[in-house]
Amino acid sequence: DIVMTQSPDSLAVSLGERATINCKSSQSVLYNSNNKNYLAWYQQKPGQPPKLLIYWASTRESGVPDRFSGSESGTDFTLTISSLQAEDVAVYYCQQYYSIPETFGPGTKVDVK
Amino acid sequence: EVQLVQSGAEVKKPGESLKISCQGSGYSFSNYWIAWVRQMPGKGLEWMGIIYPGDSEARYSPSFQGQVTISADKSISTAYLQWSSLKASDTAMYYCGRQTRALDVWGQGTAVTVSS
Repeated sequence: DIVMTQSPDSLAVSLGERATINCKSSQSVLYNSNNKNYLAWYQQKPGQPPKLLIYWASTRESGVPDRFSGSESGTDFTLTISSLQAEDVAVYYCQQYYSIPETFGPGTKVDVK
Repeated sequence: EVQLVQSGAEVKKPGESLKISCQGSGYSFSNYWIAWVRQMPGKGLEWMGIIYPGDSEARYSPSFQGQVTISADKSISTAYLQWSSLKASDTAMYYCGRQTRALDVWGQGTAVTVSS
């Protein structure tokens, strides 16, 4: 199985400041035939199902604010919230969908400082 | 509107059987994989398995293989997750999700409580 790790476990950021979440896969999730990383980011607020934010490591889902962005470097992935808003308080998960079993990272909790 | 609607909360006793459902609408249900994801109280997301409703091919995480059965009935656009003998450790929220580029549409979740 591909193991996904995330850091930090939690972070508190002032409103309007940048939040950065890291995710690392234990092996490549790059599909050579289309040169895409099969890595997604989800946001989960209390009492709600997860919501897809980013897929293919850096493609924003339709309707997701552009303050959310994803980047990649080998097996290291980053989700950046450029200017934290109050409604961004949530737990964020990365997921690889490159191979079965698909696996999630343990999550990163984002709060307002 | 594309949506997945899950069946309601369940309270069961250890050893009982259970089948929960996930009904899709607003898209061609047969043509997209449906995944099941577990979230135990206060914990993270765990991918359980996935099914292609078009031919009912199912694949499981080794952690859940033999513990649950995933099935689908494309005629009524519904996927299922079932247990033959529940344990207290099956207490969790269970989500279904449509897999396209990732899990782009999620059900609202079904809470399962197993307690004597």
